Amino acid sequence: AQTVTQSQPEMSVQEAETVTLSCTYDTSESDYYLFWYKQPPSRQMILVIRQEAYKQQNATENRFSVNFQKAAKSFSLKISDSQLGDAAMYFCAYRSARAAGNKLTFGGGTRVLVKP
Amino acid sequence: GAVVSQHPSWVICKSGTSVKIECRSLDFQATTMFWYRQFPKQSLMLMATSNEGSKATYEQGVEKDKFLINHASLTLSTLTVTSAHPEDSSFYICSARDAQGAFISPLHFGNGTRLTVT
Repeated sequence: AQTVTQSQPEMSVQEAETVTLSCTYDTSESDYYLFWYKQPPSRQMILVIRQEAYKQQNATENRFSVNFQKAAKSFSLKISDSQLGDAAMYFCAYRSARAAGNKLTFGGGTRVLVKP
Repeated sequence: GAVVSQHPSWVICKSGTSVKIECRSLDFQATTMFWYRQFPKQSLMLMATSNEGSKATYEQGVEKDKFLINHASLTLSTLTVTSAHPEDSSFYICSARDAQGAFISPLHFGNGTRLTVT
């Protein structure tokens, strides 16, 4: 079974600064997808960014970018120019590329605090 | 964008009663929906995978008779918590994938249901 680990329960960042969230995962599969989700106090799950394992290029979405290291099974998220609205829980998630593997496996989450 | 509507958003029930939570995909068809449970300050734990027209697949440790799942149409899945007890109090979230979308297409989440059993 796949597992996802987020080693940082909480991270604090100054507004306009950069913060990096760590995520490691364990899998025996070679093809899969990785995601970062944001959960603000409203508890709505919001997709931040996604990465296909077969792609070497790191995904980028505006101020959000990832550092995907397949061999190390690492998938970190960098938030640049942090804004107050970025404060939330962030979850790293894994999904198999197998047709029967639609489900998402989540890490434990990292709470991001943004200081004005 | 794709919308998943979950109802109710919060519910309080008495111990021993049953509660039904609905998850609807409003503008797409979902052959598969997922039910997650989230305890305060914790992550989302998958409870079961709901398959349209067939039995749900439950994760290890989840009681099938307690958490009844029905996926009767391509746009609706329901989770019924039977004989609820205070320990069932939690936040329940459903998600669905557009059956017409590419496999990489992300899951869409409902807004969740906060269940409190007194």
